[in-house]
Amino acid sequence: DGGITQSPKYLFRKEGQNVTLSCEQNLNHDAMYWYRQDPGQGLRLIYYSQIVNDFQKGDIAEGYSVSREKKESFPLTVTSAQKNPTAFYLCASTPGAGASEQYFGPGTRLTVT
Amino acid sequence: SQQGEEDPQALSIQEGENATMNCSYKTSINNLQWYRQNSGRGLVHLILIRSNEREKHSGRLRVTLDTSKKSSSLLITASRAADTASYFCATDPGGYQKVTFGTGTKLQVIP
Repeated sequence: DGGITQSPKYLFRKEGQNVTLSCEQNLNHDAMYWYRQDPGQGLRLIYYSQIVNDFQKGDIAEGYSVSREKKESFPLTVTSAQKNPTAFYLCASTPGAGASEQYFGPGTRLTVT
Repeated sequence: SQQGEEDPQALSIQEGENATMNCSYKTSINNLQWYRQNSGRGLVHLILIRSNEREKHSGRLRVTLDTSKKSSSLLITASRAADTASYFCATDPGGYQKVTFGTGTKLQVIP
C-alpha cells in the first residue's frame, strides 16, 4: 500500500525536552509538509520541503526544526523553544512542489506537560 | 495566515438532508480544494475546482466557485451518518506558492 505514515500516534513529553515526530512516505513524492492543528482550528504550515536536502520555513517555524536527508522521510523536531507544543501534527506530501492535492498522514498528537 | 474562512463553523442535520458549507477567501487563486477530516485523523482530499470552472460534481458532492465573490460552496446531498466530519477548504494561489487551509466546518449528521 502506498501512503504516508506518522509515528507514534500519541506522544507524551515533559516540558523542556526535545521530541522528534516521524513522517515517512512511499508515494515517491518530491514535496513534503508539516502542519500544526489546534482544537477547532485550521492547519498552520510549520515547514515544507520541495526536494531532498532543501526546506523552507512556513508560517509558524519558530521552535521547530526539520531535515530532509532522504526523499521518503521528513522528520520534525519540536524543541524546548516552542512555547505551546501541545497540538495535533500532520504531515503531508505532493508529487511535486507545484502539485495541489495533498496526501496526509494520520497525524501525531503531542502532549507536553 | 489563513486564507479561507468556512461558514458555518458547525452544522447539525438529519440523515438524508443536504448539507451546504461555504468558503470565502481574500486573494486570487489558481484552484480551490475541499478536504474532509474525521475526528483525530488526517485530511482526505475530496475535490479540486480550478479558477476557470464554476461547478464540479463528484458522487454526492457538488462544489461551486464564484471568483468574482471569492467564495466557494460544498454541497453534500442525501447525507449519511458517515459524513460526520470536519470539512476544510484550501486555496492554491498557483506559481509554487503555498496552499492555505481554512478554519473548517464541523458537520454532524444525526441518524
